[in-house]
Amino acid sequence: TQLLEQSPQFLSIQEGENLTVYCNSSSVFSSLQWYRQEPGEGPVLLVTVVTGGEVKKLKRLTFQFGDARKDSSLHITAAQPGDTGLYLCAGSTGGFKTIFGAGTRLFVKA
Amino acid sequence: GAVVSQHPSWVICKSGTSVKIECRSLDFQATTMFWYRQFPKQSLMLMATSNEGSKATYEQGVEKDKFLINHASLTLSTLTVTSAHPEDSSFYICSARTPPTSGRAGNEQFFGPGTRLTVL
Repeated sequence: TQLLEQSPQFLSIQEGENLTVYCNSSSVFSSLQWYRQEPGEGPVLLVTVVTGGEVKKLKRLTFQFGDARKDSSLHITAAQPGDTGLYLCAGSTGGFKTIFGAGTRLFVKA
Repeated sequence: GAVVSQHPSWVICKSGTSVKIECRSLDFQATTMFWYRQFPKQSLMLMATSNEGSKATYEQGVEKDKFLINHASLTLSTLTVTSAHPEDSSFYICSARTPPTSGRAGNEQFFGPGTRLTVL
């Protein structure tokens, strides 16, 4: 069974702090996506990484794909209350299915 | 681009009735759509994979006779919750996968806004 472990599950921080969310697996992924979901809404795609070692930046968010394409991280710099939400990583093996992590619930206090 | 709509956004029904939820890809053709269920403060639980023109593939533990899926066109998939009961109350989310010819990288899924079902 393929698993995508996401950590931490819950994170509560003060505005201005930095944080990192991790996704780890024993499986090799052909691509990995990060999504953000707000309460009562569907997840929104933030980024897709496909190349081992790839780093992508989206404003204050930095996404990294591990060299072996088994893990990924999301780093947020100077978090803001608007960053509050559920962050999901999802890995695809190139086949038909996508595996989702359990999610990281982030709460940024003003 | 890659917009997915879902209708209705919320529905309240009586126990024993059936409810149909529509999922549409608005600006691309989706040969594959997915249906998820999400419980409060939890991640997504894949219910089934919907393929245009063929039968849906259900995940283990999901009753195919209770959750009927129809993917009759490249832009529309429907989920019908038959004889709904209070335990079926949940947030249902669909997603559509962009085709390989779209130029997008990887198996990206684009999600609808979700449907909150409440069964009384």
